[in-house]
Amino acid sequence: EVQLLESGGDLVQPGGSLRLSCAASGFTFRDFAMSWVRQAPGKGLEWVSGITSIATFYADSLKGRFTISRDNSKNTLYLQMNSLKAEDTAVYYCARDTGRRTFDIWGQGTMVTVSS
Amino acid sequence: QSALTQPPSASGSPGQSVTISCTGTSSDVGGYNYVSWYQQRPGKAPKLMIYEVSKRPSGVPDRFSGSKSGNTASLTVSGLQAEDEADFYCSSYAGTNNYVFGNGTKVTVL
Repeated sequence: EVQLLESGGDLVQPGGSLRLSCAASGFTFRDFAMSWVRQAPGKGLEWVSGITSIATFYADSLKGRFTISRDNSKNTLYLQMNSLKAEDTAVYYCARDTGRRTFDIWGQGTMVTVSS
Repeated sequence: QSALTQPPSASGSPGQSVTISCTGTSSDVGGYNYVSWYQQRPGKAPKLMIYEVSKRPSGVPDRFSGSKSGNTASLTVSGLQAEDEADFYCSSYAGTNNYVFGNGTKVTVL
């Protein structure tokens, strides 16, 4: 079964850091671009960052604070989040990019809460 | 990148049709045939319903259809069923491996 499983969400103080992980299974992970998408409580979806085999991409509002990476040997996607702000509070989903500019597989999400 | 504009809500009785609009700009919706639609039930992850404006993934009922004209894309749900009640989000490729989502539409089956 094709599956994505996020982990690493937690309660963190403003200014703190957190690393999210997304474990992939059931498909050849290295063959697909991947993205992180977040959803603040009661709000809509927001694309955060994406990664291909050779490049990384970020939403303009996040550049410099978040870093996306992947370990194809571990079938795992990561999101390193630094200098966290209250407005970063959200459920963070990882999603598989089909190569046709769409996301066909999503994880169940991991909650990040930034609060003192 | 500004969010795509969707109506906050839409509704219809069982068996009727409902159409949701998604308005962007020439830099996203109007510039690429890469509009997707996602269904999200409460507490669940989004589910892909339409990609490349009008294509349906395997397993998605043909009651769901998509179209685009200029900077506005649309999702139509025909023959509404109780199980269609959910939030729907559009998304568009916005160039340079960036994506933008709509603010979401809550579909209610009356």
